[in-house]
Amino acid sequence: EAQVTQNPRYLITVTGKKLTVTCSQNMNHEYMSWYRQDPGLGLRQIYYSMNVEVTDKGDVPEGYKVSRKEKRNFPLILESPSPNQTSLYFCASSLSLAGGHEQFFGPGTRLTVL
Amino acid sequence: QKEVEQNSGPLSVPEGAIASLNCTYSDRGSQSFFWYRQYSGKSPELIMFIYSNGDKEDGRFTAQLNKASQYVSLLIRDSQPSDSATYLCAVNQGAQKLVFGQGTRLTINP
Repeated sequence: EAQVTQNPRYLITVTGKKLTVTCSQNMNHEYMSWYRQDPGLGLRQIYYSMNVEVTDKGDVPEGYKVSRKEKRNFPLILESPSPNQTSLYFCASSLSLAGGHEQFFGPGTRLTVL
Repeated sequence: QKEVEQNSGPLSVPEGAIASLNCTYSDRGSQSFFWYRQYSGKSPELIMFIYSNGDKEDGRFTAQLNKASQYVSLLIRDSQPSDSATYLCAVNQGAQKLVFGQGTRLTINP
């Protein structure tokens, strides 16, 4: 089954404790992206990757890191989480953004930083 | 000005009526336009995409694009309670970025 998986689905942590949210897709997609979703703000892009070893900042990259060492995986790293990073996070993948290709979303990770 | 703007709603429509969702965008160079549906607590799923001016129909859904007015809309005919969800408009910026509006919450009343 074609899918995007994220882990963990739910996480409660404390300020300053490093964490990683994993994202994996099995569709051989080149484009992958991380979004956060907050009430009234819609989906905002954190980072994206056009291919292996090619990553770039989105609209809200502060406090986040990513890496793309393999095509299928695109982990999101919070080196020192803060309460303002409490949010619902989605990973997405697509063949490309050109030509109307659909972005497939993972199930989401609900993160709470105390 | 936000890059992609939607009325956040909530928009309430009686069952069987036409629901009309609207979206404006600021980047005149945008080429592809998407409508995603998101049920509460779930991830977004693609309903329609459009890239040419005019209308595109798929079942009960019609997407309309007017690039001169920088306006894209989604019509849902014969609305059903299962259409109750948040609808997200998304617009590409080049080949690298997809910008989402804040979403419109739609409620279909039986």
